Amino acid sequence: GAVVSQHPSRVICKSGTSVKIECRSLDFQATTMFWYRQFPKQSLMLMATSNEGSKATYEQGVEKDKFLINHASLTLSTLTVTSAHPEDSSFYICSARARTSGSVTDTQYFGPGTRLTVL
Amino acid sequence: AQSVAQPEDQVNVAEGNPLTVKCTYSVSGNPYLFWYVQYPNRGLQFLLKYITGDNLVKGSYGFEAEFNKSQTSFHLKKPSALVSDSALYFCARTGGGNKLTFGTGTQLKVEL
Repeated sequence: GAVVSQHPSRVICKSGTSVKIECRSLDFQATTMFWYRQFPKQSLMLMATSNEGSKATYEQGVEKDKFLINHASLTLSTLTVTSAHPEDSSFYICSARARTSGSVTDTQYFGPGTRLTVL
Repeated sequence: AQSVAQPEDQVNVAEGNPLTVKCTYSVSGNPYLFWYVQYPNRGLQFLLKYITGDNLVKGSYGFEAEFNKSQTSFHLKKPSALVSDSALYFCARTGGGNKLTFGTGTQLKVEL
């Protein structure tokens, strides 16, 4: 149980294009999903917190107009990198918190990640 | 601010020997502590967590961790390491909010 998928696993795009990454909780409902960015040999940096049916909460320094997040259902959140540039190249990872008590002690389950390369 | 520290960038251990990956946490709020493992080009896999109760927490793949309040530590341990345990390990915490705060990660290398 508690499987989170991401699609695509790898994407290469040209500078200026937009890329959409999907995050799905396959066998549980997730009221809250999180989007992280990870640079090589570094820890995960939280970009935003996404609650189903409401606007995402972005971390300081993350441009909300560049990284559009939509949490349309209890099993799906999407991250769209708009007008991507080479500096946006990174490993993007989502996580989902199961809809149990909705507490901060609930475990976050992570997707396998999406490798974005912007040429 | 709530934080966790992983003082070792890399830990090397021989297969069959016990392993320890260290983690300390800041004394701020209620520390809810987690361990995750990441294999190359993959997301994070949940290993175990401490919320309350028994200080010794048992998790997946034979791993365990001990919550030590006096030393503010939550070290990850396994009695007998396997080569397949080689991966990047992250300690993390929540407490008082939604966010997971991660340590910088420790690369575990298990050699034959």
